[in-house]
Amino acid sequence: EAGVTQFPSHSVIEKGQTVTLRCDPISGHDNLYWYRRVMGKEIKFLLHFVKESKQDESGMPNNRFLAERTGGTYSTLKVQPAELEDSGVYFCASSRRGRGIGELFFGEGSRLTVL
Amino acid sequence: AQSVTQLGSHVSVSEGALVLLRCNYSSSVPPYLFWYVQYPNQGLQLLLKYTTGATLVKGINGFEAEFKKSETSFHLTKPSAHMSDAAEYFCAVSDPGRAGNNRKLIWGLGTSLAVNP
Repeated sequence: EAGVTQFPSHSVIEKGQTVTLRCDPISGHDNLYWYRRVMGKEIKFLLHFVKESKQDESGMPNNRFLAERTGGTYSTLKVQPAELEDSGVYFCASSRRGRGIGELFFGEGSRLTVL
Repeated sequence: AQSVTQLGSHVSVSEGALVLLRCNYSSSVPPYLFWYVQYPNQGLQLLLKYTTGATLVKGINGFEAEFKKSETSFHLTKPSAHMSDAAEYFCAVSDPGRAGNNRKLIWGLGTSLAVNP
């Protein structure tokens, strides 16, 4: 079974540009989460999808961030326009609906550097 | 609001020595507690978790943790460190009152473990 995959693994862009991060969850996992770790800070929750619906987006920093999960499969997280403080590692995680507690399966993360 | 404190951003031990990584939480109700590990160039992996029941929980790779409500702690231990244990370790909590499908985890800052030969 393939794990959670994220693309790109590393992206370097200039302030004001747009970046789109992609996450492919484990097949059959209805729950999909985005987290972010800014250097020197703790990992923070961004949002949670159940299939294609946003269950909780309370962690999204501002309206420059847009997450989608069309068809309930892969998800994208777009940052437009990117700012310096958006630099960090963006983690995606998935889990089966109603299966286990806290059994999130994480991808390797997408490292975003905004110059 | 919930919070997690991991004492020591960097811990160094000798191979074969005891590993002790500290985690304290702040929560109005006993939360669910987790330890995750991130090995170099890999994703976060669940080591162990406490939800209910026995307060001493065993995880993968010989790690265990004990939930102590009176101390609001969930320290991670391993009797004998191995070189392969070098990684970053994260303590996290979630609110058990949330709907079952929402695993909004609150994380500590992480502890980087170095194992010296």
